[in-house]
Amino acid sequence: SQQGEEDPQALSIQEGENATMNCSYKTSINNLQWYRQNSGRGLVHLILIRSNEREKHSGRLRVTLDTSKKSSSLLITASRAADTASYFCATLNNNNDMRFGAGTRLTVKP
Amino acid sequence: EPEVTQTPSHQVTQMGQEVILRCVPISNHLYFYWYRQILGQKVEFLVSFYNNEISEKSEIFDDQFSVERPDGSNFTLKIRSTKLEDSAMYFCASSEQGGNQPQHFGDGTRLSIL
Repeated sequence: SQQGEEDPQALSIQEGENATMNCSYKTSINNLQWYRQNSGRGLVHLILIRSNEREKHSGRLRVTLDTSKKSSSLLITASRAADTASYFCATLNNNNDMRFGAGTRLTVKP
Repeated sequence: EPEVTQTPSHQVTQMGQEVILRCVPISNHLYFYWYRQILGQKVEFLVSFYNNEISEKSEIFDDQFSVERPDGSNFTLKIRSTKLEDSAMYFCASSEQGGNQPQHFGDGTRLSIL
């Protein structure tokens, strides 16, 4: 089954603006993780939020989780050109397998 | 900072041949994973491995695929009798423990089947 569907599919903003990406999922989860992928590279782990947590911060990143709506958001504040990448949410279910969404391609224009 | 390394970075193989993709996970990690990403599509879970055996596998991971940890450092994915649709990026990942631990990914092997 599909898990972790992000929206928007693509987002283009100016440097200094905030970027918000959303993720929805369908089944019960153990945790939800956000990853970044630069073109042609592997995924880099950004932040993990457990199912009993509602919000988590890491530097310029803020992640929220609403288990009643089965959704999460990733906010990047004061964006930089170097933030240009694809961002994926991934859900870990109770069987311990991780499912990724299709990702949001973020472009930050200098 | 320790990292997951994958070799080769690019593998070109004739359809029907067997390929082995290699990964060296982070040394103190206990859980190992393989994922696939077909060009322009989402990252798909293939298999997880712990304590020298498969712990979970997806519907993609059929009899064509196998994994092995032949020694204390390598973790391999073997694809037998490759098909055109096996062309993809294959990512290896490892985590210190399973569950609520982040996974660390290698840069992937680009597999091209001709």
